[in-house]
Amino acid sequence: GAVVSQHPSWVICKSGTSVKIECRSLDFQATTMFWYRQFPKQSLMLMATSNEGSKATYEQGVEKDKFLINHASLTLSTLTVTSAHPEDSSFYICSARLQGMLNTIYFGEGSWLTVV
Amino acid sequence: AQKVTQAQTEISVVEKEDVTLDCVYETRDTTYYLFWYKQPPSGELVFLIRRNSFDEQNEISGRYSWNFQKSTSSFNFTITASQVVDSAVYFCALANYGGSQGNLIFGKGTKLSVKP
Repeated sequence: GAVVSQHPSWVICKSGTSVKIECRSLDFQATTMFWYRQFPKQSLMLMATSNEGSKATYEQGVEKDKFLINHASLTLSTLTVTSAHPEDSSFYICSARLQGMLNTIYFGEGSWLTVV
Repeated sequence: AQKVTQAQTEISVVEKEDVTLDCVYETRDTTYYLFWYKQPPSGELVFLIRRNSFDEQNEISGRYSWNFQKSTSSFNFTITASQVVDSAVYFCALANYGGSQGNLIFGKGTKLSVKP
């Protein structure tokens, strides 16, 4: 079946540095990928919608210059947290929509980011 | 506006008890999808079920069953004869069919603890 792979699963970075998280659809093409953030004991909140070949659409309140999203191919979207701060520590999870199937959605395994 | 409400923040049961997790949704769309996901402590989202708005038939999968009632905008999830391995946070989610590209709106989740 379709699989979405997210890497890294865990990352610890120093405050002020940038960290990149990758989301790959392994055996299908995903024109649209979604990035969610989940703070401890809270729900998943959509950060942005990533469309292949075009700019991402960010949800209200999400800083696009801080959370850079690139969707350069039909199988890869990346989220870069720039100048990370401890408050960016969170669980980030992506999902990918199967091309041509509006609501066939697969989630990655998620990435735990800790900024120290 | 679209919204998913999971009123139960935490539920604790003893093994072998039946437990129902409530989910109430709001949407103006006539066509939409409802989902349930399980999130164990490791963080990944485990897909449990997807139901479209035209299919009100209740579904049973092993010890899991779902009751979809459009009249009350509810999509409740019942675990029969609960087991310790069922302990997790369960999320109900909504996606519209027409305008959306497939992003999910999540409820706040219900943490289920099953004690031996």
